[in-house]
Amino acid sequence: SQTIHQWPATLVQPVGSPLSLECTVEGTSNPNLYWYRQAAGRGLQLLFYSVGIGQISSEVPQNLSASRPQDRQFILSSKKLLLSDSGFYLCAWTGGSYEQYFGPGTRLTVT
Amino acid sequence: EDQVTQSPEALRLQEGESSSLNCSYTVSGLRGLFWYRQDPGKGPEFLFTLYSAGEEKEKERLKATLTKKESFLHITAPKPEDSATYLCAVQDPTGGGNKLTFGTGTQLKVEL
Repeated sequence: SQTIHQWPATLVQPVGSPLSLECTVEGTSNPNLYWYRQAAGRGLQLLFYSVGIGQISSEVPQNLSASRPQDRQFILSSKKLLLSDSGFYLCAWTGGSYEQYFGPGTRLTVT
Repeated sequence: EDQVTQSPEALRLQEGESSSLNCSYTVSGLRGLFWYRQDPGKGPEFLFTLYSAGEEKEKERLKATLTKKESFLHITAPKPEDSATYLCAVQDPTGGGNKLTFGTGTQLKVEL
C-alpha cells in the first residue's frame, strides 16, 4: 500500500531564515506530487505540482520554491521566510486515478 | 475560473440528527468531484469521487450525491466521531497535472 510522509511535523522559524520541507511517497512510482498551504480557517491553496523528476509548475508567485530531485521526493524551500509564510503545509500525491492523497502536514510558524 | 462554494460554513448537530452539506461548483466539463474529511491538525482524508450527475456513493453514515451544479454530502444519524471539516473539490479540466480546486469546507460538530 502507498504511504506519504512529511517532515518535520511542526516548525518555528524566525523571519528571514531559510526553509526546507520534505515529502516522500512509498509504494508507488511516477506519482504526480503537490504542495498546498492551508491558512487558518481557509481552504487549500495549491502552491506547486510536479508530474515528474525535475518538472515543477508554480501556481502562485511567492517567496517559495519547489524541487523534485527523485521520483518520490518533493521538497518545498524558501531562502528567506516572511511572516505571511506561516500556515499548514500539505503534500499530496495522485497515481492512476484523479483523487489526491494527503500527507500528515507540517505546521509552520514564522516569528 | 473554477469556483467551488460550500455551505454552510459551520454546522452543529445533535447525535442522530441527520443533515446535508452542500457543495456547488461552476466548471465546464466536470471530470470529477471529490469529498474529503479533515480532522484538526491532520491532512485531508479522501472519502468519495463522483464523476457524473445522478451518481451516488456511500460509506457508513455518509452518502454523496451529484447533480449538474452541486453535490450533497448526506449524514445519517451522525455520531460525535463524525465531527470534522468536510471539504469538496473539483478537478481542474484545464492545463495538466490533474489539479484540484477546493472549497473552504464545512465544519461539522456533532454533540451528544
